[in-house]
Amino acid sequence: DTGVSQNPRHKITKRGQNVTFRCDPISEHNRLYWYRQTLGQGPEFLTYFQNEAQLEKSRLLSDRFSAERPKGSFSTLEIQRTEQGDSAMYLCASSLASTGAGNTIYFGEGSWLTVV
Amino acid sequence: AQSVAQPEDQVNVAEGNPLTVKCTYSVSGNPYLFWYVQYPNRGLQFLLKYITGDNLVKGSYGFEAEFNKSQTSFHLKKPSALVSDSALYFCAVRGGYNKLIFGAGTRLAVHP
Repeated sequence: DTGVSQNPRHKITKRGQNVTFRCDPISEHNRLYWYRQTLGQGPEFLTYFQNEAQLEKSRLLSDRFSAERPKGSFSTLEIQRTEQGDSAMYLCASSLASTGAGNTIYFGEGSWLTVV
Repeated sequence: AQSVAQPEDQVNVAEGNPLTVKCTYSVSGNPYLFWYVQYPNRGLQFLLKYITGDNLVKGSYGFEAEFNKSQTSFHLKKPSALVSDSALYFCAVRGGYNKLIFGAGTRLAVHP
């Protein structure tokens, strides 16, 4: 079990540029989540995949944001035309599906985005 | 809608003393409650969860939490605080599609 892996860990980009983050979930975890966390705040839900299907998107996920999970393995989060307000830590998490809601969600180390 | 509240922005405690970090929740139906810890510039680490059963839940690093249905609370506790426990602590409740809904966090500062 190698944990949830996120790359890159840090990204500094100029306003208007596109950025992409990658998440590799824990092996065999079929649920994958993206969250955003700004300084002094708790993580906010962005989107959720079960296998390759994107089942829920938060209204925080504007049309500049797109997430994919081809083949139900790794996932990418792309932000187009970045704005300074996009500066945050982007957290990926994964869990196993089960009939109940008790499965633990495990988080990666996060990807810090700074838009200058 | 499910939500959690962490009423304290910061908790200060002396090393060796017991600590409590408070959390209250609002859910429809049975609550699934979680505590995570975050060290500077790091992701979230799972500490413990309440799904069902005993109201006192034991977790990692000597932490435990007490589920109180009548007070809709799920306070995090540790009998003897360590300086290395200083971090940001988040309470969370399971929402739709099994996503977690987090509180704003409580910063724990343990002083030598």
